[in-house]
Amino acid sequence: QKEVEQDPGPLSVPEGAIVSLNCTYSNSAFQYFMWYRQYSRKGPELLMYTYSSGNKEDGRFTAQVDKSSKYISLFIRDSQPSDSATYLCAMKTRNTGFQKLVFGTGTRLLVSP
Amino acid sequence: SAVISQKPSRDICQRGTSLTIQCQVDSQVTMMFWYRQQPGQSLTLIATANQGSEATYESGFVIDKFPISRPNLTFSTLTVSNMSPEDSSIYLCSVDSPGTIQETQYFGPGTRLLVL
Repeated sequence: QKEVEQDPGPLSVPEGAIVSLNCTYSNSAFQYFMWYRQYSRKGPELLMYTYSSGNKEDGRFTAQVDKSSKYISLFIRDSQPSDSATYLCAMKTRNTGFQKLVFGTGTRLLVSP
Repeated sequence: SAVISQKPSRDICQRGTSLTIQCQVDSQVTMMFWYRQQPGQSLTLIATANQGSEATYESGFVIDKFPISRPNLTFSTLTVSNMSPEDSSIYLCSVDSPGTIQETQYFGPGTRLLVL
């Protein structure tokens, strides 16, 4: 079993839809949770970062963490064609010393006009 | 956040040759990381580079194939040696977020490598 599971998609939605992207994880020591957006042929761009259970909102994006269920989500409201990209979840522990960032496989999102 | 640049942005190379990729950060950082992203795949960590010490390689990656330099706190290089078509990939440089608690990482734009 992978430490982080993410549906690869593709997920196709019409413009204006609410998008839900999800990851599950098995390591309860993970404390920091990130969502990266990666456009084709570009490096990953940090979109959202959180370390506590609950919701964190930034514009049209909401990151949700449920540590009891080991489940994180990214919601995109009023999705736009420019949101079409691959979304990667990532997480790491808070242990001392170097802790590797563990990535999901990424979900490809397609928003059609 | 840190601003990271990489050179070259892309290259096409012949089998058996080597390519050195440069990574420059606009601020001093403790740790720099090199990742590989093969087509349609997620990111795989190659090695971690601290200034003044040898790089630490992940399982499946060796120094002879991927030598790394870290001469100062803002710069690192990754060399892909004796390339084969299987090395065709995107190579990404990454740094920890600033501060004493490195809670997240930032990525450069990547170097797209095609080996013929």
